[in-house]
Amino acid sequence: EPEVTQTPSHQVTQMGQEVILRCVPISNHLYFYWYRQILGQKVEFLVSFYNNEISEKSEIFDDQFSVERPDGSNFTLKIRSTKLEDSAMYFCASSDLSTGEDEQFFGPGTRLTVL
Amino acid sequence: RKEVEQDPGPFNVPEGATVAFNCTYSNSASQSFFWYRQDCRKEPKLLMSVYSSGNEDGRFTAQLNRASQYISLLIRDSKLSDSATYLCVVKPYNFNKFYFGSGTKLNVKP
Repeated sequence: EPEVTQTPSHQVTQMGQEVILRCVPISNHLYFYWYRQILGQKVEFLVSFYNNEISEKSEIFDDQFSVERPDGSNFTLKIRSTKLEDSAMYFCASSDLSTGEDEQFFGPGTRLTVL
Repeated sequence: RKEVEQDPGPFNVPEGATVAFNCTYSNSASQSFFWYRQDCRKEPKLLMSVYSSGNEDGRFTAQLNRASQYISLLIRDSKLSDSATYLCVVKPYNFNKFYFGSGTKLNVKP
């Protein structure tokens, strides 16, 4: 069964450093998403991406964040200068809205720890 | 006001019990509705979509009441493996973003 994959599974970084989180969505999916979940809190939408551009973003997704689809398979989230409060689980998801079904499928997540 | 609200629980039930979770949403223009389950420190996994006519998948039944902006999930004959957090998810019409509730924790005990 096709699945979304994410790397790394755990990233530890120093405050102020840049990190890039990587995702490989399901191959025939066209819509991609990033979410974050701070420990013990709810899943929060960050950004959605379609046709090589951002379609929606939340208030959390400020200038520190950017997304890119650098090739036909990867979808990345970059945090330019990490803060302690960026420590969270980051989930990538993809969906195939062209079928009329908008269920999302999630990757296993990257746990980001900012020290 | 939160976009999606759920009772956080926990719901502690014995094996074999029937349990129901509720969820309310604030945006009347919401288009799509889902229940996901999330195990501790894992990704959310789709349990079922929720359709206007209500839908059932084995022991799980989902209902949608658009007039009251209310979604429910009923689990019959609970199994130990049903222990998880159940997330209510709502997608507004014409926006490609999804709002998650905080989740309802279910503990099924032997």
